[in-house]
Amino acid sequence: QSVLTQPPSVSGAPGQRVTISCTGSSSNIGAGYDVHWYQQLPGTAPKLLIYVNSNRPSGVSDRLSGSKSGTSASLAITGLQAEDEADYYCQSYDSSLSGWVFGGGTKLTVL
Amino acid sequence: QVQLQESGPGLVKPSGTLSLSCVVSGDSITSNYWWTWIRQPPGKGLEWIGELFHNGRSNYSPSLKSRVTMSVDKAKNQFSLKLTSLTAADTAVYYCARLNDSLAGYYDYWGQGTLVTVSS
Repeated sequence: QSVLTQPPSVSGAPGQRVTISCTGSSSNIGAGYDVHWYQQLPGTAPKLLIYVNSNRPSGVSDRLSGSKSGTSASLAITGLQAEDEADYYCQSYDSSLSGWVFGGGTKLTVL
Repeated sequence: QVQLQESGPGLVKPSGTLSLSCVVSGDSITSNYWWTWIRQPPGKGLEWIGELFHNGRSNYSPSLKSRVTMSVDKAKNQFSLKLTSLTAADTAVYYCARLNDSLAGYYDYWGQGTLVTVSS
């Protein structure tokens, strides 16, 4: 059971918009710790997509955006493309565990 | 361009010790970053193992703390992981990564990962 809760799967048709939620608690996201998002393609290492809640590293598409409110965060992907099909993970810090924590991951399927 | 590369045995025996190294290129191990180990069991999510700074300071996951040791080799620009008392539950892909911001805490560079299987 992950400290940060993500839906196991989401799906959307090409061109549509999807969102992936990341729900935490008062000891992590709700405590003000930042949330980061990663994309993992099959057989590869995770890649940083969003850092500090809503910032995109250089080279990451502006179709991706992140937000944070209260004890939750979300990743939105607009103009869905086949290449977006991957696993997505959120990450933050948890003060109760005194360590960095990840969500359980969400598999995005492009229909 | 910063690159990280893990190395180590792919098969270890139950009750044995896992030893992995991560060579860093394009950056100095003594720069102002924390160097991290993260693992991913087959078909499962990511798990933070721990991190260390070049001066020897370290932080470990509470669930693994009793079995983990991390160290830095400045001469080789690499850092290492030792995990003892292995069981099948330790079978995973092990990644090394760079923690870009010790306050915000995000990983901007990752190694490609190395699969470690615990089996007799």
